Amino acid sequence: QKEVEQNSGPLSVPEGAIASLNCTYSDRVSQSFFWYRQYSGKSPELIMSIYSNGDKEDGRFTAQLNKASQYVSLLIRDSQPSDSATYLCAVSSYGKLTFGQGTILTVHP
Amino acid sequence: GAVVSQHPSRVICKSGTSVKIECRSLDFQATTMFWYRQFPKQSLMLMATSNEGSKATYEQGVEKDKFLINHASLTLSTLTVTSAHPEDSSFYICSASPPTSGNYEQYFGPGTRLTVT
Repeated sequence: QKEVEQNSGPLSVPEGAIASLNCTYSDRVSQSFFWYRQYSGKSPELIMSIYSNGDKEDGRFTAQLNKASQYVSLLIRDSQPSDSATYLCAVSSYGKLTFGQGTILTVHP
Repeated sequence: GAVVSQHPSRVICKSGTSVKIECRSLDFQATTMFWYRQFPKQSLMLMATSNEGSKATYEQGVEKDKFLINHASLTLSTLTVTSAHPEDSSFYICSASPPTSGNYEQYFGPGTRLTVT
């Protein structure tokens, strides 16, 4: 069974700090990796995608992938209260996404 | 780009009735769309993969006769919940991948919150 594991949190960080979110996956044939942000009552919004080992930066977000360790992470720099949401790690195998249970992030002023 | 819409956003129906939910890709053609369900405080669970012009592929444990999927065009997929019961109350979300993403990135519609009384 394909599994994607995340710490459910909640993760609480002060405004301006770096938030670090982690995810591990079990299916070694996974090809693509994504981070989605989901506000309460809303649908997920794609914020980062990463396909190869290493780091990928987009604005305040950096995704890191280590396929050997089956590990994906998301760093949010200069965290803002508007970043408070549930962050979902998703892993794609042959076009189908498997989601982790999500990490609740709270950024307090 | 990559905008996906859903209709309705919220629906309340009585037990035993059927409800149809529409999912549209607004600025791209999608040969494949996906239907998910999310219960409160849980993650998204894939229900089925909708393929234009062919039958949908359902995930294990999802009743294909209860959740009817029709993908009649490259921009529209519909999910019909037949003979709905209170346990079907959930947040139903569709997604699609624009061809420019290599069919890897999935973009989600705003979701439909179904309440069965």
